[in-house]
Amino acid sequence: RKEVEQDPGPFNVPEGATVAFNCTYSNSASQSFFWYRQDCRKEPKLLMSVYSSGNEDGRFTAQLNRASQYISLLIRDSKLSDSATYLCVVNTGNQFYFGTGTSLTVIP
Amino acid sequence: GAGVSQSPRYKVAKRGQDVALRCDPISGHVSLFWYQQALGQGPEFLTYFQNEAQLDKSGLPSDRFFAERPEGSVSTLKIQRTQQEDSAVYLCASSSVPGGLNYGYTFGSGTRLTVV
Repeated sequence: RKEVEQDPGPFNVPEGATVAFNCTYSNSASQSFFWYRQDCRKEPKLLMSVYSSGNEDGRFTAQLNRASQYISLLIRDSKLSDSATYLCVVNTGNQFYFGTGTSLTVIP
Repeated sequence: GAGVSQSPRYKVAKRGQDVALRCDPISGHVSLFWYQQALGQGPEFLTYFQNEAQLDKSGLPSDRFFAERPEGSVSTLKIQRTQQEDSAVYLCASSSVPGGLNYGYTFGSGTRLTVV
């Protein structure tokens, strides 16, 4: 079983839509959680950390459910510039485990 | 430097050739990681350094892969006798805290290795 599982998508949504991505992780001892964004042929860039209480950064909301071992990312009022692959990342020990990423395309 | 710098940006190697990939982390960052990203996949962990100490090399796929960080700053990932399955983007990342815990880390632009 993979450490981190994500639905690869693709998600194609119109501008202004709300879209949500989920990811599950297998190791209950995992310590910290992140969402990264990766544009085509670019390196992953940290989008936001995910805290147990949930956290928001502008149009982006991240939530963590430790009991069910899943992480979510909600994007409100999608912009064309949000088109990218979103990677769920889980830190366990010294290792960061990446999901395969969920592809999002925002359509005009 | 301001960011993580990797070189070369692209490398084409003939099967059986040895290659060396360089990573310059953000100045002062104690943690340095190497990842391998195949097409359509997320990055896969290769190895982790805290300063000059290689604390985890469990992700290195074979003994053809070797990484070093002798002075605790620049790191080199060496692949001997390259094979086609080694074709991937090799990403380096660094963090100011041990293990990158709670803060995540910053990636370089990667080296795209193609073995022909």
